[in-house]
Amino acid sequence: EAGVTQSPTHLIKTRGQQATLRCSPISGHTSVYWYQQALGLGLQFLLWYDEGEERNRGNFPPRFSGRQFPNYSSELNVNALELEDSALYLCASSLSLASGANVLTFGAGSRLTVL
Amino acid sequence: AQRVTQPEKLLSVFKGAPVELKCNYSYSGSPELFWYVQYSRQRLQLLLRHISRESIKGFTADLNKGETSFHLKKPFAQEEDSAMYYCALSGSSNTGKLIFGQGTTLQVKP
Repeated sequence: EAGVTQSPTHLIKTRGQQATLRCSPISGHTSVYWYQQALGLGLQFLLWYDEGEERNRGNFPPRFSGRQFPNYSSELNVNALELEDSALYLCASSLSLASGANVLTFGAGSRLTVL
Repeated sequence: AQRVTQPEKLLSVFKGAPVELKCNYSYSGSPELFWYVQYSRQRLQLLLRHISRESIKGFTADLNKGETSFHLKKPFAQEEDSAMYYCALSGSSNTGKLIFGQGTTLQVKP
């Protein structure tokens, strides 16, 4: 069974540009989570999608946004890129929390570098 | 405020020595605690969760609500245990949010 897949593996952008990162959850998982792992800041919760809806977001500015598609895959968009957005972006999936499950399976991450 | 603290950035032990990776948390309700591990060039993966009360790869962790701790222990470290370990807290399943500690690198020397 395929795990959580993320693309691209690496992405290089310049300040002010937009970045789009993609994530496909494990088959059967309906919840998708995004985390940012910036150097020295650890793993920070960004967004949670479940059944196509944004359920919660972390303490990030509105230029961080995303969506979840009917097939439960997800996209993270970062607009007006800033140097400090350079980080590893991890996607994770789980069964719907409505089922009481909250064990996350992580992808390998997308490394975003902003120059 | 909800917080997870892992006081040690690096823990270095010799093979066969006991290991204790410390995790303290701050949360007013009933938390669910996890340990995640990331081996070199591998993905972050769940090691264990407190509600399961199981031992994985010889590791155990007990939730101590009085001391607000969830330390990870193993009686005899192996070289293959070398990895980055993250303690994480889920305060409520309704938020979908895991709060991670900064992580501790465990280095097991031969």
